[in-house]
Amino acid sequence: QQQVKQSPQSLIVQKGGIPIINCAYENTAFDYFPWYQQFPGKGPALLIAIRPDVSEKKEGRFTISFNKSAKQFSLHIMDSQPGDSATYFCAASTSGSRLTFGEGTQLTVNP
Amino acid sequence: EAQVTQNPRYLITVTGKKLTVTCSQNMNHEYMSWYRQDPGLGLRQIYYSMNVEVTDKGDVPEGYKVSRKEKRNFPLILESPSPNQTSLYFCASKRTGGDGYTFGSGTRLTVV
Repeated sequence: QQQVKQSPQSLIVQKGGIPIINCAYENTAFDYFPWYQQFPGKGPALLIAIRPDVSEKKEGRFTISFNKSAKQFSLHIMDSQPGDSATYFCAASTSGSRLTFGEGTQLTVNP
Repeated sequence: EAQVTQNPRYLITVTGKKLTVTCSQNMNHEYMSWYRQDPGLGLRQIYYSMNVEVTDKGDVPEGYKVSRKEKRNFPLILESPSPNQTSLYFCASKRTGGDGYTFGSGTRLTVV
């Protein structure tokens, strides 16, 4: 049973667009919600993360929005670039323990 | 350079032939983990280790073994590989109490 559900499975946007990737979780004990970025042939790399005591976190062009009551969080990429084309994974964990990942979203940013 | 090193990067083997995928980290991390990545399923945890000689099952441990005799190494062992273990495998590590995982570059395993 997938504890973290991610959508969409794939996403295509034009350069400058704002792709949004959504995740929903079930376990209310989760207290850490990271996003990982994976390029072909590479392992996932931590992109940005949030804890449930804040509703939004921004790092550069990447923003996480968090809705604790709805048990949902999302990644927004502002002014997207072709170099942002990658697979993005949301994840969740409890108190620094093992991560549970979403299914992944393959993002393509066209020039 | 701080990194997680997996070997081999690619492996094709036959059903039933025992194999080991090695993982080593140079960051003195206590926590290490193995994941498999399959299309549409994301990354699923196979086994994890919170420190030397401490290992536990993840979500999909069947058909796999691990050991943690040294802090830096966490090999994944497939005693009798089957075609349903064809996948992309990642090793990851983090320090105890830390949140961010460092992943290796992956091992693409094909079992025929």
